[in-house]
Amino acid sequence: QQQVKQSPQSLIVQKGGISIINCAYENTAFDYFPWYQQFPGKGPALLIAIRPDVSEKKEGRFTISFNKSAKQFSLHIMDSQPGDSATYFCAASPAGYSTLTFGKGTMLLVSP
Amino acid sequence: DAGITQSPRHKVTETGTPVTLRCHQTENHRYMYWYRQDPGHGLRLIHYSYGVKDTDKGEVSDGYSVSRSKTEDFLLTLESATSSQTSVYFCAISESQGINQPQHFGDGTRLSIL
Repeated sequence: QQQVKQSPQSLIVQKGGISIINCAYENTAFDYFPWYQQFPGKGPALLIAIRPDVSEKKEGRFTISFNKSAKQFSLHIMDSQPGDSATYFCAASPAGYSTLTFGKGTMLLVSP
Repeated sequence: DAGITQSPRHKVTETGTPVTLRCHQTENHRYMYWYRQDPGHGLRLIHYSYGVKDTDKGEVSDGYSVSRSKTEDFLLTLESATSSQTSVYFCAISESQGINQPQHFGDGTRLSIL
């Protein structure tokens, strides 16, 4: 049973455009929602994270939007750059637990 | 970057042989994790440890065992490797349980089982 559904599987965006990746979850016990960025040959790296007590969190060009009632959250990358080309994973963790459940990933390509 | 070293970085072996992957951390973090990454499946948790000699199963633990005899080392063993265990294996660490504790990942071990 996939507990975190991520879409799209792949995404091509023009330089300067907005990249949007969506995730939906089923487990209402999830309490922590991080996004990870992974470049080829490297491990995933934490990009930004949110908890359900806020609806939006912004760090530079990266924003998480969170909709608790719909059990959905999304990553927006503003002014997308070729250096943002990577695979992005959403994840979720229940309150009081350290383990993460990951989405299947989105491969983003930002064309020059 | 978090001080996480995975070894080996690449390994090719044959079906039926035992394989041990090592994760070494210099951060003195309590929690350590083993994931596998496969196309179309994302990252899936195999086992994790919440302290020396304290481990628990993850989503895909069948065919794998782990050991943690020291804070800094977490070993993943495939007792008798199968071709379905061909994957990229990642180790991660986190400081403690609780809210907003990020996991930091190593750069992975690419394992091919022929």
